[in-house]
Amino acid sequence: LAKTTQPISMDSYEGQEVNITCSHNNIATNDYITWYQQFPSQGPRFIIQGYKTKVTNEVASLFIPADRKSSTLSLPRVSLSDTAVYYCLVGNSGAGSYQLTFGKGTKLSVIP
Amino acid sequence: GAVVSQHPSRVICKSGTSVKIECRSLDFQATTMFWYRQFPKKSLMLMATSNEGSKATYEQGVEKDKFLINHASLTLSTLTVTSAHPEDSSFYICSAPSGRGTDTQYFGPGTRLTVL
Repeated sequence: LAKTTQPISMDSYEGQEVNITCSHNNIATNDYITWYQQFPSQGPRFIIQGYKTKVTNEVASLFIPADRKSSTLSLPRVSLSDTAVYYCLVGNSGAGSYQLTFGKGTKLSVIP
Repeated sequence: GAVVSQHPSRVICKSGTSVKIECRSLDFQATTMFWYRQFPKKSLMLMATSNEGSKATYEQGVEKDKFLINHASLTLSTLTVTSAHPEDSSFYICSAPSGRGTDTQYFGPGTRLTVL
């Protein structure tokens, strides 16, 4: 299982774009990159998933360079409700194994 | 996205009693589910993998006789904390993969266990 490294914490003002970068130097060929958001006393919520290049959905974008050794979650125009812990995970479903390992995550604080 | 539920959302019990936590996949089937434990301000730690029709697989350091897991059907896994002690107080979360070829896992809302 690839190990991930993220900044422990980040601060941002409301309305700004926030980019959180995750390093995963040992990512395997079959691994996908998935980002989750977790609020206190709640289960993690799926944000976005990608394999390479760029993925965009209604809440975020995910940028993955060609070597796939890192990825960047981009949150456009954050609001106070985006204050949460964000986890980057890598894993694959090869041979039916869906096991994921959580790193420490990035605690994002959005300031008014 | 797929929905995973947990019941109860919070439970308080006396030391020495057993507590059962249910995890259900509401709109999809899951032959595999995962159980995590999370202490305050810490990340999720995988406890065990629940397998439908076979024994659960436990992570190193997790006592299988204390944390009993039963994957009764393709939509239900249960975690029973036996003879609970105050140090077992934690936030327990389950997850299930969507089974659509990638590692998109969906997490339950969690169960807050407090052992007095």
